[in-house]
Order: sequence, then structure tokens, then C-alpha cells
Amino acid sequence: AQKVTQAQTEISVVEKEDVTLDCVYETRDTTYYLFWYKQPPSGELVFLIRRNSFDEQNEISGRYSWNFQKSTSSFNFTITASQVVDSAVYFCALSEARRASSASKIIFGSGTRLSIRP
Amino acid sequence: SQTIHQWPATLVQPVGSPLSLECTVEGTSNPNLYWYRQAAGRGLQLLFYSVGIGQISSEVPQNLSASRPQDRQFILSSKKLLLSDSGFYLCAWSLKDHGQYNEQFFGPGTRLTVL
Repeated sequence: AQKVTQAQTEISVVEKEDVTLDCVYETRDTTYYLFWYKQPPSGELVFLIRRNSFDEQNEISGRYSWNFQKSTSSFNFTITASQVVDSAVYFCALSEARRASSASKIIFGSGTRLSIRP
Repeated sequence: SQTIHQWPATLVQPVGSPLSLECTVEGTSNPNLYWYRQAAGRGLQLLFYSVGIGQISSEVPQNLSASRPQDRQFILSSKKLLLSDSGFYLCAWSLKDHGQYNEQFFGPGTRLTVL
């Protein structure tokens, strides 16, 4: 069965600190996709990144970076020089590869609430 | 570009009353559609998904039902609300193409309080 674990329930750091959100996943599929979503206080989930299981290259987007390691089944998310606007709940998620016309069922972790203090 | 709408944004309903939440997607055709519920301080639970008009798959047995009367319209309903139906309801869509495009895009959500 597929499972996503975000062991950090809440994290609080001071602005400008770097912070890493951990994500560990379980799947028996050889082809799968990993995601990170951000949920600000408004509630809407914002898609941040998708990674497929064949692409272990780390990715950087501005102050955000993602470290995908299949050997440890982890897909960690780092925010560099955090800002108050980064305060949100962050969800890591996993989905299986699927056939055309079928639905992509995503399994979400329980989320990490990140608070950035000024 | 694609957009997804949900209404109402907030709703307070008495126990035993009916429910109808609506979700519409613009800017894409034949999307997959999803309903999720998020209880306070909890993760997301997939309730229903649909790959086409009239095609509904239920993930968990519950007091709710879903319908897709049009290609880009997804409706979540209940005949009689329970207290446990309170939560934040999110609609999402995804492309139907397989391969790289597996992510889902979410609407703004409806916050439902059942009293």
C-alpha cells in the first residue's frame, strides 16, 4: 500500500533561517510521482512541484529546493532564507503512474505546519 | 489558462438538512475531477473522483454522494447532514493524459459547519 509520512507536525523558525520539511514515502510501484503542495491560511492548496520516480535530480526554484532520494524513499523540501509569507501547511504527496483516461489518485501526507516568526 | 471555482465559500447548515456544493472548471476539456474533505487540523481524504460525465467512483462509504452532470461540473451532495460532515471541502481537477501530467489543481474550497 502507498503511504506518505511527514513526521514533523509543526515547525517554527525565525525569519531568514533555512528550514527543511521531511517526507518519507512507501510504494511498491516502480513508476510513481511525488508532489509538494502549499496550503496558506486561505485554505486553497497550491501545487509546488512534481517529481517522477525516474528523475532523481534535485531541483531548485528560487528559495525553494527539493531533494529526492530513492535509496531512502525521501523527498525533502528546503526553504532557504525563510520569509513570513512562507507560513503555511505543506503537504507531501504520492501517486501511482496510471493509464490514459484513468484518474490520478494522490495519497497525501498529514502535512507540516510551518510558522515563520518575524 | 485553467481555473477552478467552488461555491459557496462558507456554509453553516443544521443537522439533517440537505447539502449541495458545486465545482466548475474552466479552460480545459474532459478533466478528471475530485472531491476531498479536510477535517480541522487534518490531512486530505479523497471522497470521490470522476473520469467523465456520469462516472463517479467513491473512495469511502459515507453520508455523501457526487454527480457530474456536465463535463466540467462536479457536485457534492447529501440528503441529511451529520455533525461529522463538518470540514473543508476541496474540489480538484487533473489532466487526463497519462505520463507526466499527474498533478491535481485545487479550488478555493468550501468550509462547511454542521450545527
